[in-house]
Amino acid sequence: KAGVTQTPRYLIKTRGQQVTLSCSPISGHRSVSWYQQTPGQGLQFLFEYFSETQRNKGNFPGRFSGRQFSNSRSEMNVSTLELGDSALYLCASSLGQGSRYSPLHFGNGTRLTVT
Amino acid sequence: QKEVEQNSGPLSVPEGAIASLNCTYSDRGSQSFFWYRQYSGKSPELIMFIYSNGDKEDGRFTAQLNKASQYVSLLIRDSQPSDSATYLCAVPSGNTPLVFGKGTRLSVIA
Repeated sequence: KAGVTQTPRYLIKTRGQQVTLSCSPISGHRSVSWYQQTPGQGLQFLFEYFSETQRNKGNFPGRFSGRQFSNSRSEMNVSTLELGDSALYLCASSLGQGSRYSPLHFGNGTRLTVT
Repeated sequence: QKEVEQNSGPLSVPEGAIASLNCTYSDRGSQSFFWYRQYSGKSPELIMFIYSNGDKEDGRFTAQLNKASQYVSLLIRDSQPSDSATYLCAVPSGNTPLVFGKGTRLSVIA
């Protein structure tokens, strides 16, 4: 069974630009969560989508947004990029909402560098 | 948001020894607990999860949970150099699917 697929693997953008990251979950998984990982803050929760609806959101500014499609694939968008947005962005999928009934499985991540 | 605390390490153990990694959490309502391994430059990989008090064993790995003390640990027996990685403890809390600790860096010395 294929794992969680994230594209692209690497991105370099300049301040003020916007970026869209893509995530395809494990087949059959309906929930997709996004996390930001930085050396200083560790893994921080961005948002969770289940059945095309954002179910939960972390403490990030409105420049960070996302959506989920009917095939459970998800995208996240960051507008007006700032230097501090440089991070590894991780997508994780699970069978159901949250992790109570099934663990989260992570993709390889997208490394975003903002210059 | 509730917190998950881990000793950042590095924790150095000789090859063949038992590595013991510890984690405390603040949300008394947490019902499930996860351990992820992350190699440098890679994404987190699930290695264990535990729901009930006591021990759960999977190969060389044992997860131990004590809900009264809000404490969960991971033991790695017969540690190998390939076990050298950062180990992340994670707990669901409130509306967050998983809240992660900052991780403990383990170094297994050959």
